Amino acid sequence: DAKTTQPPSMDCAEGRAANLPCNHSTISGNEYVYWYRQIHSQGPQYIIHGLKNNETNEMASLIITEDRKSSTLILPHATLRDTAVYYCIVRVKTSYDKVIFGPGTSLSVIP
Amino acid sequence: NAGVTQTPKFQVLKTGQSMTLQCAQDMNHEYMSWYRQDPGMGLRLIHYSVGAGITDQGEVPNGYNVSRSTTEDFPLRLLSAAPSQTSVYFCASRVTGGGGPLIQYFGPGTRLTVT
Repeated sequence: DAKTTQPPSMDCAEGRAANLPCNHSTISGNEYVYWYRQIHSQGPQYIIHGLKNNETNEMASLIITEDRKSSTLILPHATLRDTAVYYCIVRVKTSYDKVIFGPGTSLSVIP
Repeated sequence: NAGVTQTPKFQVLKTGQSMTLQCAQDMNHEYMSWYRQDPGMGLRLIHYSVGAGITDQGEVPNGYNVSRSTTEDFPLRLLSAAPSQTSVYFCASRVTGGGGPLIQYFGPGTRLTVT
């Protein structure tokens, strides 16, 4: 699976959009981008995934650049409950691959 | 559905003791895995299984054993606990086929302290 690079930490004001970047410059054509988050002491939670097109669900939006070498997770109106560690994972859509997590980005939403 | 459940929630062991961390899922997922998370660090994969009777090592398998006799259960065994195994342990499961996204579902975690 391609390696990902994320900033170790970010701050965001409550009510503003939180934009979390992820670099995956070695991504291959059949690798998906997945985002998870881990709120303090809880198990990680799936947020969103995408291949080429931008994606949106009830939790967030995912913007993938045209060359697919980077992506941005957008939380449109961050709340204090969005304070968490966010993990960007790139992987082939293969049934039997193990999933490796990197250190992620620690997002602090500030009142 | 209960999803992924883990027991116990908390455990304190003395060095050299053995114990089994339990993990169960009711989503009929073939793939299950164990991670550990140390303070201020990310998740590290210990062992994983792609189906009953099949297990494989992850990034940090030493000191841990697993087996998978049923689809639902994936216990993690510590044969001789060491202080370095003090951590939070998360179990996860997901589907392995069907063409859909490979979304993992995590349990609430087991907080283990070895003294």
